[in-house]
Amino acid sequence: GAVVSQHPSRVICKSGTSVKIECRSLDFQATTMFWYRQFPKQSLMLMATSNEGSKATYEQGVEKDKFLINHASLTLSTLTVTSAHPEDSSFYICSASLTQGALFPEAFFGQGTRLTVV
Amino acid sequence: GIQVEQSPPDLILQEGANSTLRCNFSDSVNNLQWFHQNPWGQLINLFYIPSGTKQNGRLSATTVATERYSLLYISSSQTTDSGVYFCAVEDDKIIFGKGTRLHILP
Repeated sequence: GAVVSQHPSRVICKSGTSVKIECRSLDFQATTMFWYRQFPKQSLMLMATSNEGSKATYEQGVEKDKFLINHASLTLSTLTVTSAHPEDSSFYICSASLTQGALFPEAFFGQGTRLTVV
Repeated sequence: GIQVEQSPPDLILQEGANSTLRCNFSDSVNNLQWFHQNPWGQLINLFYIPSGTKQNGRLSATTVATERYSLLYISSSQTTDSGVYFCAVEDDKIIFGKGTRLHILP
């Protein structure tokens, strides 16, 4: 299947700083990328959907100014956690889709980024 | 909104055993997919199966859309099958179940 690379895989940052997470589709052009958050031993919660060149659509309860999403090209989307706090610590996963707006069946997942805010 | 329930929540099996994982959903859905999350967090697509039956090696899945459930079968389990199995449905938004945590003992 297609390859989605997420970087970094792990990051530890100090409270109050910002962290950027990259999601790249390596061998295909991803019109749509999804960002998820996963708490320990919990399910995935969709945070936002981004289409290349457009503003991201955030799910209810997700702070737009806190979680900045940029999808500037068909192969790269970034999630920036601004002014991070310990409660932002989580596992963040991106998914890139071959088909605009569709998760199923043509979406592939990055390896995830474990963020720890100290 | 649609509720997605997976059972059992946890399952411990000896290598070589068979298992059946279930996903119930509370309303009609447009799409359904099964995923495996390995112990390192990587999610892998298993089956896109809004209805019918599919098989891929030791794994197979069946969705009975009219009865609002899907089953994932794993035969001759291997330690590499360990991890969490999620089903997710798509209506007007994407909803993941809470997963079944599978641990295969050598």
